[in-house]
Amino acid sequence: KAGVTQTPRYLIKTRGQQVTLSCSPISGHRSVSWYQQTPGQGLQFLFEYFSETQRNKGNFPGRFSGRQFSNSRSEMNVSTLELGDSALYLCASSFGPILGTYNSPLHFGNGTRLTVT
Amino acid sequence: AQTVTQSQPEMSVQEAETVTLSCTYDTSENNYYLFWYKQPPSRQMILVIRQEAYKQQNATENRFSVNFQKAAKSFSLKISDSQLGDTAMYFCAFMKHVETNFGNEKLTFGTGTRLTIIP
Repeated sequence: KAGVTQTPRYLIKTRGQQVTLSCSPISGHRSVSWYQQTPGQGLQFLFEYFSETQRNKGNFPGRFSGRQFSNSRSEMNVSTLELGDSALYLCASSFGPILGTYNSPLHFGNGTRLTVT
Repeated sequence: AQTVTQSQPEMSVQEAETVTLSCTYDTSENNYYLFWYKQPPSRQMILVIRQEAYKQQNATENRFSVNFQKAAKSFSLKISDSQLGDTAMYFCAFMKHVETNFGNEKLTFGTGTRLTIIP
C-alpha cells in the first residue's frame, strides 16, 4: 500500500509569489491534515479536511488556505509569500471517522521543503 | 489550550543501551491521546507508540515502551536495546478526544529531542 505522497519535495519561490502544495493520502483515508515545521516555531497545525470539508483550522493568516477533492487528495495554497513562510510542510492522513474512544493514527508524508527568497 | 514540553533538546547513548526521553504536558481535558513520533533525516514523521489516556496500562511496541503518569501529566519514552536506526528527532504529541470524531483533532507537538545512537 502506497504511503502519503507529497509533491513537490522541494520548492523555491520569491517573496510575494503564491505556491500550491499537493498531498495524496493513503488509499481509503478520508482525513487529511497539514502541519508547518520550522526551527523556531516547531510543528504547528494548519488545517484538517474530511470529506472535502475543512473541519479544523490552526492560527495562521488567511494567506494559508487549502481544499480537498472528492478522491481525498488535498492541496494547500499560500499566497503573497513571506520569508517567514520558509518551512517544511507536512501532510498527514488517517482513516476517519472513528467513533467512540479510539482515534485512528496519522500517517505522515515526507513533506515539501519550501524556501522563500 | 494544551502544551507539550520536552526538556531534553539532545541526547546520545551507546548502541544496545537503554535511553529514556522525557515529556510533560498540560491540559484540562480528561480524555486524550498521547503519541511519540520519530522523524529521521528522511523527514517523514513515523508513529512510534500511542497511549490512550483512559488506559492505565502503559503501551508497549517491541523495544519501545512508555511510562504514562496521568496525574503527573508525564509521558516518557523508553527505548531498549537501542539501534543505530533509532537515531532521529523524537516528538511527543497530544491530541484531545472528541466524542463524535469525524476526522482528527489537531496534534500539539513538543519541541523535540534529537537522539543520537553511538556505534
